[in-house]
Amino acid sequence: DTAVSQTPKYLVTQMGNDKSIKCEQNLGHDTMYWYKQDSKKFLKIMFSYNNKELIINETVPNRFSPKSPDKAHLNLHINSLELGDSAVYFCASSQVESPPSPLHFGNGTRLTVT
Amino acid sequence: GQQLNQSPQSMFIQEGEDVSMNCTSSSIFNTWLWYKQDPGEGPVLLIALYKAGELTSNGRLTAQFGITRKDSFLNISASIPSDVGIYFCAGQPGAGNNRKLIWGLGTSLAVNP
Repeated sequence: DTAVSQTPKYLVTQMGNDKSIKCEQNLGHDTMYWYKQDSKKFLKIMFSYNNKELIINETVPNRFSPKSPDKAHLNLHINSLELGDSAVYFCASSQVESPPSPLHFGNGTRLTVT
Repeated sequence: GQQLNQSPQSMFIQEGEDVSMNCTSSSIFNTWLWYKQDPGEGPVLLIALYKAGELTSNGRLTAQFGITRKDSFLNISASIPSDVGIYFCAGQPGAGNNRKLIWGLGTSLAVNP
């Protein structure tokens, strides 16, 4: 039943490690996103894919690499994790149309880098 | 990046009180969205607004798309404890460009039973 699901929900790892977060949506949407929410709760877009094509790539370190194997999946791989990467990462999806459909968010992955 | 001016930053109210929060922008938006985030969960859409002047209700919630297209407000009537959470506004600056919403910094609401 879950519309946008992401795994894992919690991720605790040490500096320098590489980790991945997976996201899947069953809403039939053509656009998926990764957002980062910092400790002050600000939602910052990182990436957006439309039909597997990267359309938004904000100023994000190239240690972050998104991968979209199909339009229902958007994974996020992070290399050489740093303390400042600790945050909650949200996956979201929407349908680009007129008027555009709002974003549907997953429940987040809380990443803690020690 | 660009942010919306959302106020107030936080509110602490008594159960039963009405709540009002708003967002303003220096540029024109074509869409305004209001989301609520409960602890440990992702933001959930409350109300979507697509036309200037539009007034839309969802239960005890009412939101309006400002006539200048540069602002929006959200009202909650007769608050209850489950209204606790963070409320975000988001705006879309261009037609057909849902890809990059501009977000407010959130209004944290606490309700005293």
